[in-house]
Amino acid sequence: EIVMTQSPATLSVSPGERATLSCRASQSVSNNLAWYQQKPGQAPRLLIHGASTRATGIPVRFSGSGSGTEFTLTISSLQSEDFAVYYCHHKKTFGQGTKVEIK
Amino acid sequence: QVQLVQSGAEVKKPGASVKVSCKASGYTFTSYYLHWVRQAPGQGLEWMGVINPSGGNTNYAQKFQGRVTMTRDTSTSTVYMELSSLRSEDTAVYYCTRDRDWGTFDIFDYWGQGTLVTVSS
Repeated sequence: EIVMTQSPATLSVSPGERATLSCRASQSVSNNLAWYQQKPGQAPRLLIHGASTRATGIPVRFSGSGSGTEFTLTISSLQSEDFAVYYCHHKKTFGQGTKVEIK
Repeated sequence: QVQLVQSGAEVKKPGASVKVSCKASGYTFTSYYLHWVRQAPGQGLEWMGVINPSGGNTNYAQKFQGRVTMTRDTSTSTVYMELSSLRSEDTAVYYCTRDRDWGTFDIFDYWGQGTLVTVSS
């Protein structure tokens, strides 16, 4: 079973700054990697699929990169509505999440 | 527009069963697999299983084998997830989510609003 490991667990960022989130797979997953955003009390929302393709309606400040075992989600300039928990996902497995909080 | 609307919150005693529904609308029900994912309080996301609404075939996570049953009713475009022998560790929000690409498990593009199941004596 593939294990997805996200880092860091918590990321403190000031509004307007860049945030970089990492996800590592225990074995190659090619580009079959998605990212989701979850705000308190809400369902997850698809942000990125295929490692780097933004889902419909997702702002361009969100970008994904990587392949194989190493992946990155970058938020270029954090807006107030971006403070949330982010999960990476491959098939039946989710990472444990990275919480992006206000610094 | 695509919508997945789930049934309301449930409170169950240990050992009981719970059945959660997920009604789909805005697309062809039989064209997309539907998964169930749960989230314990303050925890991450956990995949439970998937159902093909067209044929009704299922695939469950090993952890839930023998305790979970997923079914569908094509006449009402609704899928159901029943979890039996409930214990306190099953307290969680349960989500249904659509698999965009015909059971590849790669892209969960729409999610239900979630159903809180509380297991308490």
